Amino acid sequence: AQKVTQAQTEISVVEKEDVTLDCVYETRDTTYYLFWYKQPPSGELVFLIRRNSFDEQNEISGRYSWNFQKSTSSFNFTITASQVVDSAVYFCALSEAMGGSYIPTFGRGTSLIVHP
Amino acid sequence: ETGVTQSPTHLIKTRGQQVTLRCSSQSGHNTVSWYQQALGQGPQFIFQYYREEENGRGNFPPRFSGLQFPNYSSELNVNALELDDSALYLCASSLVPGQGAYEQYFGPGTRLTVT
Repeated sequence: AQKVTQAQTEISVVEKEDVTLDCVYETRDTTYYLFWYKQPPSGELVFLIRRNSFDEQNEISGRYSWNFQKSTSSFNFTITASQVVDSAVYFCALSEAMGGSYIPTFGRGTSLIVHP
Repeated sequence: ETGVTQSPTHLIKTRGQQVTLRCSSQSGHNTVSWYQQALGQGPQFIFQYYREEENGRGNFPPRFSGLQFPNYSSELNVNALELDDSALYLCASSLVPGQGAYEQYFGPGTRLTVT
């Protein structure tokens, strides 16, 4: 079973639309960490946000916001007023303890295409 | 501040050969992780190095090995290359040796093609 599920393979929107990228995770740990990364065509992943399992506060950073809900094991990412520069593949990741180390597991990613 | 750099950018090898990929971590970062990203997939954690020792490993066979040097740069070595090893190999550095618990800074990757 996948530990991190990003059910949306590809999303296509027109500039200025709002878009939400879904992430559902699975873990038995009480302490874990969740991340979102952006991968533009250049290839390098860019860190966007980190959340620990004890902090369910939603966060807003400019046009980006994140909704963490432990009850549904979801950590969704919303881009408000999307722009062409937001076009990229977005990855959700879960880090949980395995044998004393925190091993990150990435989802398969959601490709976001923003049309002008 | 210098970011994470990787070399080479692209590489083509033949099945059965060995390959070495290199990574220089972001300035001041003492922890380096390596990931394999197959086409259309998310990155898969290979291993992490902290203070020149392996500090966590994913589900990869022993023919994937690594090194970290005193200047925190790192190498990924893959022996007996297989066709399925074709992928983008990403290096990531972080300041805190918390394995995957903290944000990481990624390089642009090395695209390895095995024929």
